Amino acid sequence: DQQVKQNSPSLSVQEGRISILNCDYTNSMFDYFLWYKKYPAEGPTFLISISSIKDKNEDGRFTVFLNKSAKHLSLHIVPSQPGDSAVYFCAATLTSGTYKYIFGTGTRLKVLA
Amino acid sequence: DAGITQSPRHKVTETGTPVTLRCHQTENHRYMYWYRQDPGHGLRLIHYSYGVKDTDKGEVSDGYSVSRSKTEDFLLTLESATSSQTSVYFCAISDGFGQGSYEQYFGPGTRLTVT
Repeated sequence: DQQVKQNSPSLSVQEGRISILNCDYTNSMFDYFLWYKKYPAEGPTFLISISSIKDKNEDGRFTVFLNKSAKHLSLHIVPSQPGDSAVYFCAATLTSGTYKYIFGTGTRLKVLA
Repeated sequence: DAGITQSPRHKVTETGTPVTLRCHQTENHRYMYWYRQDPGHGLRLIHYSYGVKDTDKGEVSDGYSVSRSKTEDFLLTLESATSSQTSVYFCAISDGFGQGSYEQYFGPGTRLTVT
């Protein structure tokens, strides 16, 4: 049972345009969501997060949107740069109790110069 | 960068042999995790620790055991390695639960091949 889903395995975007990466979850108890970026042969690195009490969080070129009623979050990257080419994972956790994080399967973003 | 190291970084071993992977942190974080990354599966939690000597199973714990005798070290043992355990293993740390900041920081990974 995949509680966190990233249904698009890959995405290609032109440099300078917007990249939108999507993530769906099934467990309405999740109350904190995170995005990680992973380059080949490296560990994932934290990118941005959002609490379920918010619907938007912005950090420079990166914005995460949360739609709790749809159990959907998205990561927007504007403008996209070639260095953004990586695999992006979304993750969810329940901040009171389990200490576990559930990750999606990842979306490979390719930004074309 | 968070101070997390993993050893070894690469290992090739034979089916049936025991293997131990080490994660070492210098951040004094309470929570430590072991994940495996496989194509099509993303990152899957094997075991995690919420304090010294406190561990629990993740979603793919069969065939793995862990130990944490001190804050800085979290060991993952494959008791009898199988080819299905060929994977890239990542250790992660977090200090967020109860602190309000829930990011995890990952180590560089260990690539394990079981022949």
